[in-house]
Amino acid sequence: GAGVSQSPSNKVTEKGKDVELRCDPISGHTALYWYRQSLGQGLEFLIYFQGNSAPDKSGLPSDRFSAERTGGSVSTLTIQRTQQEDSAVYLCASSSPRRGENEQFFGPGTRLTVL
Amino acid sequence: QKEVEQDPGPLSVPEGAIVSLNCTYSNSAFQYFMWYRQYSRKGPELLMYTYSSGNKEDGRFTAQVDKSSKYISLFIRDSQPSDSATYLCAMSRPGANNLFFGTGTRLTVIP
Repeated sequence: GAGVSQSPSNKVTEKGKDVELRCDPISGHTALYWYRQSLGQGLEFLIYFQGNSAPDKSGLPSDRFSAERTGGSVSTLTIQRTQQEDSAVYLCASSSPRRGENEQFFGPGTRLTVL
Repeated sequence: QKEVEQDPGPLSVPEGAIVSLNCTYSNSAFQYFMWYRQYSRKGPELLMYTYSSGNKEDGRFTAQVDKSSKYISLFIRDSQPSDSATYLCAMSRPGANNLFFGTGTRLTVIP
């Protein structure tokens, strides 16, 4: 079936504006993850969803970051009052209960640039 | 100190060479080890997944895990220009919800 999709693929915004990033996981995948990839850095974990609940928000870097997931499917990551240091590629992944949470399948990412 | 260390390269090899990519880690609780391939401006693609120590082979790719040394490797035989990408190691421990990634090694295979 279709893979993980993310939109927009690119987002350029001005410092102080809010942005919303969308992730549509693989159908049937109950677990969903958001990561951030900055230049020269590894992937940094942000938040994990199991169904619609987010039992692990430990990676969110500040209270300007929030995420929700509705219907056990689509997730939205919101960054309020964006800062230049928020510029990065935001990656979403999902995993299947059958194959386990360690086999995570990634979307193409949203490249966020904050001017 | 980062939990997962990976030499960022870049690594450049001629076509047909054997490539060795490596990561070290500090957390002995890691049990699951993955290698991802990431092409430019694409998301990471899962290449290999191993549990605990040992070897796993899939076509031209071999993953090795040495838990006693906290060291994992990915070997690529008969490397092709299409293998040119960034290779990310990742690992996880029981009860963790997320993967811990290395910074990635950028590989170029020259025709």
